[in-house]
Formats: sequence, C-alpha cells, structure tokens
Amino acid sequence: AQSVTQPDIHITVSEGASLELRCNYSYGATPYLFWYVQSPGQGLQLLLKYFSGDTLVQGIKGFEAEFKRSQSSFNLRKPSVHWSDAAEYFCAVGARAGNMLTFGGGTRLMVKP
Amino acid sequence: GAGVSQSPRYKVTKRGQDVALRCDPISGHVSLYWYRQALGQGPEFLTYFNYEAQQDKSGLPNDRFSAERPEGSISTLTIQRTEQRDSAMYRCASSLVRLAGGLAGELFFGEGSRLTVL
Repeated sequence: AQSVTQPDIHITVSEGASLELRCNYSYGATPYLFWYVQSPGQGLQLLLKYFSGDTLVQGIKGFEAEFKRSQSSFNLRKPSVHWSDAAEYFCAVGARAGNMLTFGGGTRLMVKP
Repeated sequence: GAGVSQSPRYKVTKRGQDVALRCDPISGHVSLYWYRQALGQGPEFLTYFNYEAQQDKSGLPNDRFSAERPEGSISTLTIQRTEQRDSAMYRCASSLVRLAGGLAGELFFGEGSRLTVL
C-alpha cells in the first residue's frame, strides 16, 4: 500500500527566507508525486507534479520540488517566501495504474513579517 | 462552470439523519472524485467515476456511504444514518482526461462541503 509522510506539522519562516517542506513516500513502483496547496476557505490547488524525466520539477508561484528515489523523498522548496504563501501544503502520491491519490497529513506554513 | 462547485458549503445535521452532498464538476470533465478530509489530516480517497460509471469505491468506509453520477456530470454523495464520526470536510475533484498509463490528468478541487453531525 502506498503512503505519504510529512514530518513537519507546522513550520514558521520569515518573509524572504528560503523554505523546504519535507515529503517521504512509500510505494512499490515508480510513483507519481504531487504537491497541493490549500488556502483558508479554498479548495486544493496543484503546485507541481512529477511523472517522469527530470527529477527537479518547477511549479507555479516560484515553487520547485526534487524527486530523490534513493531517499523516497519529494521535498518542496522556494528560495524566498512571500506572506501570501501562508497556507497548508499537502504532498500526494498516485499509483501508476489507478486514480486514487494518497495524501500526507499536511504541513501548515506560517510566514512572519 | 468555471470551477468545481459543491453544495452545501456547510451542513449541520443530527445523528441518524441522511445527508446528500452535491458536486458539479468543471464542464466536460470526464472523471469525478470524492475525498474526505478530517480536521488536521490530509484528504482520503472515497470513490471516483469516469463518466457515469463508478470505477472504484474502495475508499467508502461502510455501506451507509454511497455515490452516484447518473448522467455523467453532477454527482451526489449520500450518507445515511449519519454518525458523529462522519463529521469532516467532503471534497470533490474533477479531471479532464485519463492519461496514458492510467493516471488521471490534473485534479481540480472544489471548496468542499463541511459536514457536522451533532
């Protein structure tokens, strides 16, 4: 069975600082990996996804993520955080042969001025 | 429509009552998914449809939960004889196509229906 772990429940960074949100997955084959963001009162929005190819993936809003097979990780990064990035971030893994996404528990990001 | 629309946004009901949650996907989207998100947790898969056919309902917790999409567009998730443990945010998502290899295209999520069972 596939699973996703986001070790950090809450993270606080200062505006302008760099950010890294951790994601570790468990899956028996090559995974499809996703990062979603959830702002208060809104639906989940896709930031980026990895299907195959280049292991460094660029997404929207200046985010990127790197797939590291040896570490079973897909960490999300941003070089300089903006106050509007404060939200909850979810990592998810999808099975090659199915449509069910398994989500991690989420990391809530707070941004200090 | 412009996005995935869910109604009602908030539903408070008494234990034992039946509840119906509605999802109106993006026009033309083939696949429709239901997820449940408990407070402080990530979404959990419930079921999904391609057109009107329910493809996978392995995530439905028990037989009190059912879903339908009779005309391949709007879907209804029904919870019978609600219990307090059913309280959660119920999220619907849709996607345009199913890609080669079996994975659907990008999922577009609605704002969710928050259910509270007293």
